[in-house]
Amino acid sequence: KQEVTQIPAALSVPEGENLVLNCSFTDSAIYNLQWFRQDPGKGLTSLLLIQSSQREQTSGRLNASLDKSSGRSTLYIAASQPGDSATYLCAVASGSARQLTFGSGTQLTVLP
Amino acid sequence: DAGVIQSPRHEVTEMGQEVTLRCKPISGHNSLFWYRQTMMRGLELLIYFNNNVPIDDSGMPEDRFSAKMPNASFSTLKIQPSEPRDSAVYFCASSGAGHTRTEAFFGQGTRLTVV
Repeated sequence: KQEVTQIPAALSVPEGENLVLNCSFTDSAIYNLQWFRQDPGKGLTSLLLIQSSQREQTSGRLNASLDKSSGRSTLYIAASQPGDSATYLCAVASGSARQLTFGSGTQLTVLP
Repeated sequence: DAGVIQSPRHEVTEMGQEVTLRCKPISGHNSLFWYRQTMMRGLELLIYFNNNVPIDDSGMPEDRFSAKMPNASFSTLKIQPSEPRDSAVYFCASSGAGHTRTEAFFGQGTRLTVV
């Protein structure tokens, strides 16, 4: 059974800092890995999708990497802003149903 | 496209009542997923449809839960009878070709409270 772990559970940084969020998964037989953002009381917004054959994806100040063999992904946020404050969720697609298995998230607070 | 649309946004019901949650996926997407989010268990997949056919419902917690997708633009998740432990946020998501190559897009969720 696929298990996804995110570290740290919570992170507080001052505005302008670069930061890294970590995600690990137990079964490397994945189809893709997706990073989401969730604001309080809201749905999930897809940030980046990395196919299993890819090593990284970039969107603006966000860069996500994938090391499938070691079961790890990182989400790098450059020059953080208060508007980046949210919970960031990592999810991997695997299994016969190609279902997304989610980590428990990292709650990020960027202080002005 | 307006994205994945769920209704209602909030539902408060009494224990024992029937609850029906609704979802309209993104037009052209052929895969639809129902997830449940709780503080204790995080996000869990309940059921997955491909081309309107249920593929995997192993995540449905009990027989009280049922889901249908009568056509490509509509799905329902029904709980009958509802119990307080069903209180959670229920999300619907759709994607173009399962979760293999395309992004999953989520609705805003339905916050269900069973009292």
